[in-house]
Parts: sequence; structure tokens; C-alpha cells
Amino acid sequence: DIVMTQSPATLSVSPGERVTLSCRTSQTIGSNLAWYQQKPGQAPRLLIYGASSRATGVPARFSGSGSGTDFALTISSLRTEDFAVYYCHQYNNWPRLATFGQGTKLEIK
Amino acid sequence: QVQLQQWGAGVVKPSETLSLTCVVYGASLSGNYWTWVRQSPGKGLEWIGEIKHSGGTNYNSSLKSRATLSIDTSKNQFSLNLTSVTAADTAVYFCARVSFETSGGRLNFWFDPWGQGTPVTVSS
Repeated sequence: DIVMTQSPATLSVSPGERVTLSCRTSQTIGSNLAWYQQKPGQAPRLLIYGASSRATGVPARFSGSGSGTDFALTISSLRTEDFAVYYCHQYNNWPRLATFGQGTKLEIK
Repeated sequence: QVQLQQWGAGVVKPSETLSLTCVVYGASLSGNYWTWVRQSPGKGLEWIGEIKHSGGTNYNSSLKSRATLSIDTSKNQFSLNLTSVTAADTAVYFCARVSFETSGGRLNFWFDPWGQGTPVTVSS
């Protein structure tokens, strides 16, 4: 199974800062990676698919990059509504198996 | 706008069967896979399985064949049954649509949209 490792586990930052979250996979997955944002009591919300494509309605301050085994989610200027937990996700085509990273929590400094 | 709404029992007794249903609004079940994911504090986000409109299924082998997904195209909904539950199955359960694209000769997948989530507690 492909293991997803996110870092850091927690990041304390101030509004307006630029942040980059990391996701590494144990096997190469091309660009088959998605990023989600989750706030307390809510379902995950799709931000990025195909490693770098923004989902409909996602602000331009969110960007994804990477391929192979190293991926990143960058938020160019943090807003208060961005403080949440972020997950990376890959879905292997065969055998079919989806795996998620353990999440990175963005906290207000 | 596609929306998924889910429901089911919030408390299930140990050894009994957990049952959840997800209805899809704004889209047909045809042409997509539909999936279930659960989230518990101890294990994070865990994929349970998926079902296609034709009824074809794939499951996470870690659930040791306890999960069964079914689909009812007449009601535009799909369901999850998880048998022989234990405290380890206590989690928030989500349904979602599986989407994909072809890029550079390879497939990229993602889950969107998601249902609102159903907290399930296994307790006597």
C-alpha cells in the first residue's frame, strides 16, 4: 500500500503569511494527488486535484505543485478562514485503494 | 450543483450491523463511482470502498469482508452495511463521489462532493 506522509503535523502561523505544506508518498504516483481542507464538524472540501488543478470556487491563493513522490500545497497569504486541517489523498487505480495523509493542522499564532 | 445527503443510525450495538445511506441530488449515479470514507481519531481518514452504478464494487481489504456496498438507481442512492461492528468502528462516516481525469496517459482521481458526515458510535 502507498503510504502518505504529511509534514509538519501542526503549523502555527499568522494571517497574511505564506505557508507551504508537504506531502510525500512511498511510491511514485505521477500527478494523482488531491488536497482537501477540513474544518471542525465539516466534511473535507476538495481544494486541488491532479496535484495542481484548483477545484471550482477555490481561491487563487491556494496552489498545488509536485509530481512523483513529493507534493506541496501553498497558501500565498493566509486568511482567518484558512485555519483548518489539510489532507493529501491518492487513489490507486489498480488495485483500487485510496489512502490519505495524516493531516497538517494550521493554527493561528 | 451536486449534493450528497446521508443518514443512518447513530448508535449501533457491538456485533450488530451498521447501515448508512447516501442520496445524490443534482446528478445521476450513472458514469461515476461512489465511495464511503470514515474518520476516527485513532486512524484518520480511512477508505472503505466504492460502488459503480452498474453495481460493481471494490473494498478496502483491511475491513476483512465486513463491508457491503449496494446501489438503488431508482432512488438515486447508495448504501453501506458494515457487519460485526466493534468499538474500533466508531467514527464519522462520509459518502462521496469519485471523479477522475486522464492526464499524460495516467488517471488522476479525487473525491468531490462529500456528504455531510454521520457520526456512528458502537456501544451497548
